[in-house]
Amino acid sequence: DQQVKQNSPSLSVQEGRISILNCDYTNSMFDYFLWYKKYPAEGPTFLISISSIKDKNEDGRFTVFLNKSAKHLSLHIVPSQPGDSAVYFCAAVGTGNQFYFGTGTSLTVIP
Amino acid sequence: DVKVTQSSRYLVKRTGEKVFLECVQDMDHENMFWYRQDPGLGLRLIYFSYDVKMKEKGDIPEGYSVSREKKERFSLILESASTNQTSMYLCATKLGGGDGYTFGSGTRLTVV
Repeated sequence: DQQVKQNSPSLSVQEGRISILNCDYTNSMFDYFLWYKKYPAEGPTFLISISSIKDKNEDGRFTVFLNKSAKHLSLHIVPSQPGDSAVYFCAAVGTGNQFYFGTGTSLTVIP
Repeated sequence: DVKVTQSSRYLVKRTGEKVFLECVQDMDHENMFWYRQDPGLGLRLIYFSYDVKMKEKGDIPEGYSVSREKKERFSLILESASTNQTSMYLCATKLGGGDGYTFGSGTRLTVV
């Protein structure tokens, strides 16, 4: 049973515009969330995280928002750049420090 | 920076072959993980290990086994490769109690 879901398998955005990637989860015990970015033929790399005690965390062009009541988080990239084109995975951390990954969203930023 | 090295970037094996995927880390991380990545299914946990000679099943352990004889090395074994094991395999490490994973570059395995 998929506890972390990314319902959009792909997203295309014009360069300079905002990219919004969404992630939903089902387990209210998750207390830490992360976003990873993956280029083809490379392993995922950590992008940004957020603790459940916060509702927003910002790092440069990347902002993660957490809505605990809706069990929803989103990653905003502003402005989007062609180098941001990659697959993005959200992950949630549960009891025992186990990670649960979403199915991924492939972002294409069009120059 | 932690470095996680997977011995092969690309592998092609025949159905029924025994396949070894090796992962080596150069830091003292206790936790090591094997995932496979498939389109539309995301990252699925196969096995993980919290310490030397310890192993735990993940979500999809069937058809796989693992070995961790040394802290820095975690091997994934496909006892008898099948075509449905064609996938991207990712090794990851994590400091106990620490923040995220560090992933290797992945091994693209094709079973023909």
